[in-house]
Amino acid sequence: EDKVVQSPLSLVVHEGDTVTLNCSYEVTNFRSLLWYKQEKKAPTFLFMLTSSGIEKKSGRLSSILDKKELFSILNITATQTGDSAVYLCAVEPSGNTPLVFGKGTRLSVIA
Amino acid sequence: DAGITQSPRHKVTETGTPVTLRCHQTENHRYMYWYRQDPGHGLRLIHYSYGVKDTDKGEVSDGYSVSRSKTEDFLLTLESATSSQTSVYFCAIKGGSMYEQYFGPGTRLTVT
Repeated sequence: EDKVVQSPLSLVVHEGDTVTLNCSYEVTNFRSLLWYKQEKKAPTFLFMLTSSGIEKKSGRLSSILDKKELFSILNITATQTGDSAVYLCAVEPSGNTPLVFGKGTRLSVIA
Repeated sequence: DAGITQSPRHKVTETGTPVTLRCHQTENHRYMYWYRQDPGHGLRLIHYSYGVKDTDKGEVSDGYSVSRSKTEDFLLTLESATSSQTSVYFCAIKGGSMYEQYFGPGTRLTVT
């Protein structure tokens, strides 16, 4: 059975800290891994990763994939209170198979 | 927002009544999905569609049916709503430059 596990489940940090969120997976026929941010509304797309070792970056957020060890990390540097959200990791097993989601990591950034 | 709308955005209904939620997209994407999200369970796939009249079940399809008679609309029907179907329902499409998945704004459904 395809599975995505995120850790930690929740995290509290202070503004300015750097955080690393983890996502490990077991799927057949891996195609891609996606990260989403969810505040009190719909998930919003952050990154899609398909190749190992290539960092995707957007402002203070970055992500990298390791297809050999079957995991990805999402880094957030210089955190702000606006980064408080649930971060979801999902894996696409193949081009036509629905995404498999992890349970998410709840990040709280306090001033 | 990838051109996805959901209607209604909020609904309160009584147990036993049928309910239909609509997902509309403006960009001709082939794949559309319905999820529900509940505390402690995360996002769970109900049904999905890979083309007009082509649909398949997800992990929590019992009590739900779907229809897709045209590319832009994907309807989710609760045949006889129960309190356990109180949830937030998200529609999603697969599109974008890398064929990534985008979510609609969601529908909050309360079954009393």
